[in-house]
Amino acid sequence: NAGVTQTPKFQVLKTGQSMTLQCAQDMNHNSMYWYRQDPGMGLRLIYYSASEGTTDKGEVPNGYNVSRLNKREFSLRLESAAPSQTSVYFCASSGVNGHLWGLLNTEAFFGQGTRLTVV
Amino acid sequence: AQSVTQLGSHVSVSEGALVLLRCNYSSSVPPYLFWYVQYPNQGLQLLLKYTTGATLVKGINGFEAEFKKSETSFHLTKPSAHMSDAAEYFCAVKAHTGKLIFGQGTTLQVKP
Repeated sequence: NAGVTQTPKFQVLKTGQSMTLQCAQDMNHNSMYWYRQDPGMGLRLIYYSASEGTTDKGEVPNGYNVSRLNKREFSLRLESAAPSQTSVYFCASSGVNGHLWGLLNTEAFFGQGTRLTVV
Repeated sequence: AQSVTQLGSHVSVSEGALVLLRCNYSSSVPPYLFWYVQYPNQGLQLLLKYTTGATLVKGINGFEAEFKKSETSFHLTKPSAHMSDAAEYFCAVKAHTGKLIFGQGTTLQVKP
């Protein structure tokens, strides 16, 4: 049981390049999240998907797009990378085996993170 | 909008001493509250959560937290610190939309 899997683990981009961070979960969760972690800032929510086919902006969505491809996968795209997007990115999922009533009272499970450097 | 504030970005204790990490929340509706721990170069792991019911919540590794509505607090405690507790700790609140919002984090240092 893999849980939440993120790829790649490390990436170096040049300013202006684009890339997609991939995330997949095998727990049949409805909700999925993308966060960025910066020193002293904690984890800040970039985008959130409550269920397949829905996405919602978080605290810091500018410069990012997301796609909830299906229930398992939630990708994060940087169209034109900037040095300010250098960060560690975490994907997470939450829910109770496909039940929407688990939206609020269930914890999130996290991937191992993607360390992105934009030069 | 829901939010959490963690008081103190760094906390240092001696091994065997009490650990107290502070978290205050802001929520217009009954909150769902979580504490997570992050060890170096790893993802986040759930320590404990408060949803409904008992206000004193016990978690893994000897940690516990008490939900105090009158103080809008959810402080994390452990009676006796161990060297292996050194990590970063995050308090989080779940909004009614399902969004999970984190505090800024507290780094716990345990001195021998």
